Parts: sequence; C-alpha cells; structure tokens
Amino acid sequence: GAVVSQHPSRVICKSGTSVKIECRSLDFQATTMFWYRQFPKKSLMLMATSNEGSKATYEQGVEKDKFLINHASLTLSTLTVTSAHPEDSSFYICSVENPSGLSSYNEQFFGPGTRLTVL
Amino acid sequence: GNSVTQMEGPVTLSEEAFLTINCTYTATGYPSLFWYVQYPGEGLQLLLKATKADDKGSNKGFEATYRKETTSFHLEKGSVQVSDSAVYFCALSDWGGSEKLVFGKGMKLTVNP
Repeated sequence: GAVVSQHPSRVICKSGTSVKIECRSLDFQATTMFWYRQFPKKSLMLMATSNEGSKATYEQGVEKDKFLINHASLTLSTLTVTSAHPEDSSFYICSVENPSGLSSYNEQFFGPGTRLTVL
Repeated sequence: GNSVTQMEGPVTLSEEAFLTINCTYTATGYPSLFWYVQYPGEGLQLLLKATKADDKGSNKGFEATYRKETTSFHLEKGSVQVSDSAVYFCALSDWGGSEKLVFGKGMKLTVNP
C-alpha cells in the first residue's frame, strides 16, 4: 500500500498561535486527501476533503476559516489550525485516496497522525 | 445519516483466545464495509473489506461477513496472538464523490502471552 507521512507527530503551542500540519504521500501522486480529527474515546470524524488544485470541501460544522487546507501539489496537503485554542487539542489524521480503477472502492491510506496540544 | 456502532472496549485477552468485535451500521443505500486496524505508533491500515451483502472479508486470520439482514459486520478471529494488540475500527463508505468513510469509535485490544 501507499506510504503516508505526517509532520510533526506532536506539537504543543500556546493559545492564539497557528499550527501547520503536513501530510505527504511518499510513493504516489494523490489527487484527493482527507483530514480527520479524533477525540479521545471517539471515532475519527472527517473534517474535509482536500483536492489538488482546488478548494477543499468541508464537512458540516467544520469552520473553513479555522482549519485552512492547502493541497498545492500531488504529494502534499497541509492543515493549518489558525488561532488555536485548547478545545482544538486533538489527534489529527490525514489519508490519501488511491483510485483502484478495478473496483468500486478507492482505498484510503492513512498517516500516523499528529497530536496537537494547545495550552 | 450513516453511522457505525461498535464495541468500545478496551478488551484484554490471553493468547489463542477467540475474538469477536461487534459492529452494526445504519446506512441508506448499499455501503461497503471495512475493518481498519491501528497498531501502536502507526497509521490506520485496512484489515479487510466487503462490498456487498453476504460477502466475507478475510485477512491475517480475521474474518467478517456483510449481513444486510442484521446490518452487521462483526470481526472474528479464532486464535489471537500478542501481535494482534491494536485498536480496531469498523467503518462504512459514504459515497460523496470520493469514498468518504464513517468510522465507529474504535476498540482497543490487548493480547497477553
């Protein structure tokens, strides 16, 4: 399967600052990437779909001005948490979509996640 | 909307024990169903999938059957190993242009020698 990296793996920041998280597809070009957020003891919640060369599509209830997504190349998508607050502390996970072409399912490959703590 | 409900755990088993993780879903249409596994320090990996009713997904000794009549996709393994210790997520596809996934809350499994 595809190899997906995230950087940083952990970040601690002060309230009010902005934090950028990178998601890289290391071994194939990804037109579509997804960003998820995982709360403790809860499921992964899809935040947005990131499409190379166009604006991201945000899920209902996700503030697009708060969580800026840039998919500037076929191997990199970034999520910027702007003016972070303690309630933004969470585990953020990205995935890349690999269109199979042979089935109805486009498999997703996940990054290892980024733990954000806002003080 | 679509949703997935699964056992939350955590669950601790001894090596060679039988494992069942229940998963039920609510969906319109005909979703595909998945089990993902997250080993410590790693990203989620697809464990197995089933794309239509009565399909059985299998991998690494794990099995799950797509049961439309009970809207279930329970994960089973006859004899777990220490290396199976991980968090297991049940998920379904929610077609929306791209294959958006809806996840259950995940269940942490610890297998002791």
